[in-house]
Amino acid sequence: GAVVSQHPSWVICKSGTSVKIECRSLDFQATTMFWYRQFPKQSLMLMATSNEGSKATYEQGVEKDKFLINHASLTLSTLTVTSAHPEDSSFYICSAPPGGSQETQYFGPGTRLLVL
Amino acid sequence: SQQGEEDPQALSIQEGENATMNCSYKTSINNLQWYRQNSGRGLVHLILIRSNEREKHSGRLRVTLDTSKKSSSLLITASRAADTASYFCASSGAGSYQLTFGKGTKLSVIP
Repeated sequence: GAVVSQHPSWVICKSGTSVKIECRSLDFQATTMFWYRQFPKQSLMLMATSNEGSKATYEQGVEKDKFLINHASLTLSTLTVTSAHPEDSSFYICSAPPGGSQETQYFGPGTRLLVL
Repeated sequence: SQQGEEDPQALSIQEGENATMNCSYKTSINNLQWYRQNSGRGLVHLILIRSNEREKHSGRLRVTLDTSKKSSSLLITASRAADTASYFCASSGAGSYQLTFGKGTKLSVIP
């Protein structure tokens, strides 16, 4: 089946630094990818929709200048948490629908971010 | 955006028993999907039911959809300890890839 990878799987950083998380579709092309955030014991909340070759679409309440998204190719989207603060500590998950499918989505394994 | 609600929030059962989880949503949907998440891990797609379907089976899973009540249920029969995980429903509207997730049910199956 289709696979989506994320890197790194976990990261610890100091407050004020920036962290980049990669999401890759390994065996299919994805013009659209989604980024979610999940706090402990809570559900996934959609942060933004990443579109290849164009600007990302952010959900209400998500700061686009803080969470920079770049979808530079059909297999890679990156999420950069800029000037990270402890409250940004969370589990970040990406997903991608295979081309042509509006039903199936494949999720990455997630990236756990801890900001000290 | 839609906000799914699930109940119960937590469910603890003995191995071999059936587990039923419910999900409600607020707006019209194109399909509804159920996902499983082991602690601290990514999501695994379990089953998808379209808005024109009322029931679907996959192995030990049975999903129902009642669009008039805007609700869905997931039944896991003959549960196993390995079924211990959090289960989420997620809905998408017509012509949209976006998924809106419910709050999830944490299932514990006791051996």
